[in-house]
Amino acid sequence: NAGVTQTPKFQVLKTGQSMTLQCAQDMNHNSMYWYRQDPGMGLRLIYYSASEGTTDKGEVPNGYNVSRLNKREFSLRLESAAPSQTSVYFCASSVYMSSIEQFFGPGTRLTVL
Amino acid sequence: GQQLNQSPQSMFIQEGEDVSMNCTSSSIFNTWLWYKQDPGEGPVLLIALYKAGELTSNGRLTAQFGITRKDSFLNISASIPSDVGIYFCAGQQSTNAGKSTFGDGTTLTVKP
Repeated sequence: NAGVTQTPKFQVLKTGQSMTLQCAQDMNHNSMYWYRQDPGMGLRLIYYSASEGTTDKGEVPNGYNVSRLNKREFSLRLESAAPSQTSVYFCASSVYMSSIEQFFGPGTRLTVL
Repeated sequence: GQQLNQSPQSMFIQEGEDVSMNCTSSSIFNTWLWYKQDPGEGPVLLIALYKAGELTSNGRLTAQFGITRKDSFLNISASIPSDVGIYFCAGQQSTNAGKSTFGDGTTLTVKP
């Protein structure tokens, strides 16, 4: 099992460009999450999907959109990237929203110039 | 939103020393979690705590769920170089749809 995989690992964008971060899990988990991690700060929840077919805003959703493509895949889209979106993005999954443990991917390091 | 205050922000210690870190909140949590993030990787769950006063160990790691339910502590005994990383606390409330609130992390450096 690969667990949670994320692509790409690194990305550099110019202000105003768009891109989609991909995430997939092979653990048959129902719930998936997108977080951002900024230096000296904890993980902040951007969006989550409690189950296939549902998505909800987290703590910092502005400037992002998500798609739960199927049970395995949950993508994060930046329509018009801004320097404030420079961060490390983590995707995570759990069996259910109420599950204690979340399993994290290796992260995507995004720089917006 | 809710905040978890984690301290210290960073620690530089010698191999073999013990480490203590803590996490406090103004809110009550039903579950406390401790994660470790190795450099360049995503966080991995180390310990989960489910009730006030609970003390749980995982090898050289020991964590406690504070009596007030507003804090938690993590101790690492006899540190080794592979303990290097960022340690995050996280809290969950049953009223918050199971979402975890994360602390800012404690960065641990262990000098051989």
